[in-house]
Amino acid sequence: AQKITQTQPGMFVQEKEAVTLDCTYDTSDQSYGLFWYKQPSSGEMIFLIYQGSYDEQNATEGRYSLNFQKARKSANLVISASQLGDSAMYFCAMREGSPSGTYKYIFGTGTRLKVLA
Amino acid sequence: KAGVTQTPRYLIKTRGQQVTLSCSPISGHRSVSWYQQTPGQGLQFLFEYFSETQRNKGNFPGRFSGRQFSNSRSEMNVSTLELGDSALYLCASSLVIGGAYEQYFGPGTRLTVT
Repeated sequence: AQKITQTQPGMFVQEKEAVTLDCTYDTSDQSYGLFWYKQPSSGEMIFLIYQGSYDEQNATEGRYSLNFQKARKSANLVISASQLGDSAMYFCAMREGSPSGTYKYIFGTGTRLKVLA
Repeated sequence: KAGVTQTPRYLIKTRGQQVTLSCSPISGHRSVSWYQQTPGQGLQFLFEYFSETQRNKGNFPGRFSGRQFSNSRSEMNVSTLELGDSALYLCASSLVIGGAYEQYFGPGTRLTVT
């Protein structure tokens, strides 16, 4: 079963509008972390935002916010005021731990966002 | 502050050969993680090193190995290359182990196996 599901392979948004990228996850751990990365065509992964499972407030970083709904196991990324430079692949990822203290990192398949002028 | 650097950026090898990729983390970062990215499998976690010890490992065969040096620089080795090993290999560094929210990626090494 997929641990991280991104159901939108591609999205379009008009410049200056807001866009929501969906992400749902599956874990039985109580402690886990969720994060979003941006990968432009150059290939480098850029960290955007992080949400810990125990964080009560939704994470925000500038124009990025994470809509964390723990009961629904969703961690959607909201980009406000889209810019042309936001066009890229976006990955949702989860870090889950084990009692032995080791971690596993799992990435979704990504959503390709295209911002239109 | 310099970012994560990876060398080489591009590499072409033939089946059966071995390859070593290098990653220099951000100064002060002690954790280095490696990922494989392919169009078919997406981004998959290979392993994580911290203080010269492998702390976490993904589901990859033993042909994939790595090490970390005392200066936190890390190398990844793939022996007996297969066509399916063609991928973008990304390295990420963070201050602490499991510090996903502080994980910074390098530009990657694109490996092509012919």
